[in-house]
Amino acid sequence: SAVISQKPSRDICQRGTSLTIQCQVDSQVTMMFWYRQQPGQSLTLIATANQGSEATYESGFVIDKFPISRPNLTFSTLTVSNMSPEDSSIYLCSVEGAGGRTDTQYFGPGTRLTVL
Amino acid sequence: EDKVVQSPLSLVVHEGDTVTLNCSYEVTNFRSLLWYKQEKKAPTFLFMLTSSGIEKKSGRLSSILDKKELFSILNITATQTGDSAVYLCARRGDMRFGAGTRLTVKP
Repeated sequence: SAVISQKPSRDICQRGTSLTIQCQVDSQVTMMFWYRQQPGQSLTLIATANQGSEATYESGFVIDKFPISRPNLTFSTLTVSNMSPEDSSIYLCSVEGAGGRTDTQYFGPGTRLTVL
Repeated sequence: EDKVVQSPLSLVVHEGDTVTLNCSYEVTNFRSLLWYKQEKKAPTFLFMLTSSGIEKKSGRLSSILDKKELFSILNITATQTGDSAVYLCARRGDMRFGAGTRLTVKP
């Protein structure tokens, strides 16, 4: 399995500010995804982070609000911009293709964001 | 409209019982089906199912996919209190998750 770390693990932020979340994997992976899980809800895919090109966003999510970078095959960042209390959520990255296996998909430990 | 539907939404059993969790999906954007266990923060990967009729097993857990009827089941035998969690299924393709089944195993 892949070892995935996320920073920060949690944060409390003020309305109107931005937070960048990092996702680091201990091995190269083919796919990296960013999800949001709001309290009591299931997971919602925000975007697929593409290495060397712009991320692919799901309906309802836009690059201006959630800019994503993926400079290499082991690292990605998600920025939550101009935050509002509605952005309070757990943000998770997940990876696929670790160790060359395409039949597994693992999640990072998540970042718990609270916006005041 | 849900594209991935899990049932039941919650389930309470006693230790030693066997449970079957269901996940049905629409065929749009289907590549494979994933099952996860979520206890606290991050979901833990259980299975990815791509082929119909081939059971995957891991200890007391097993899962199978029926691509004709568009559903999958997750079986847990001899349940333990540590199996208490929310079990999620997701359609790989557009990574749409179901609402989850909250399983509670009582001693």
